[in-house]
Amino acid sequence: DAGVTQSPTHLIKTRGQQVTLRCSPKSGHDTVSWYQQALGQGPQFIFQYYEEEERQRGNFPDRFSGHQFPNYSSELNVNALLLGDSALYLCASNSGGGWELFFGEGSRLTVL
Amino acid sequence: RKEVEQDPGPFNVPEGATVAFNCTYSNSASQSFFWYRQDCRKEPKLLMSVYSSGNEDGRFTAQLNRASQYISLLIRDSKLSDSATYLCVVLGAGSYQLTFGKGTKLSVIP
Repeated sequence: DAGVTQSPTHLIKTRGQQVTLRCSPKSGHDTVSWYQQALGQGPQFIFQYYEEEERQRGNFPDRFSGHQFPNYSSELNVNALLLGDSALYLCASNSGGGWELFFGEGSRLTVL
Repeated sequence: RKEVEQDPGPFNVPEGATVAFNCTYSNSASQSFFWYRQDCRKEPKLLMSVYSSGNEDGRFTAQLNRASQYISLLIRDSKLSDSATYLCVVLGAGSYQLTFGKGTKLSVIP
């Protein structure tokens, strides 16, 4: 049973560029959340997708957008990258009835 | 005041010691509480949920005090494998957003 998978695992971008990160949820899960974790900080909620809609959004600018596909996989897009966007981006999935989040190993983004 | 606050540590304890972590949260309407564990450069994983009556899972005991908006985690008989960062997590009322604290780093020393 595959857990949450994310790609790519590492990437380097320059300021102003755009990035797309991908996530496949754990089998049987229909809800996907994205978190940003800066060094030495706890994960910060970006948004959550359910039934292909953004169900809730954290305190992140519109440069951060996402999508959920019919197979429940999800993408996180970040436009006009800033140095401060350098972080570990974590995808987490859960089933509608439960609160335990299962995290992927993350995509580590470095913005130069 | 931050939504979820934890002492960042580090806590350096010898094997076999008992160690306690505390966490406070600002939203009195918060409905659910959890402790997650995160190993170095790995993803967070659920350690245990926290209930008002307190709950225990082997060497781990979690307590919730709603009146004081305070959550605790007690680890007894510490093992080397307990070395990790422990994240206090709160779910707000009517929310789908889990709010994480910064984490408390534990190092268990031989």
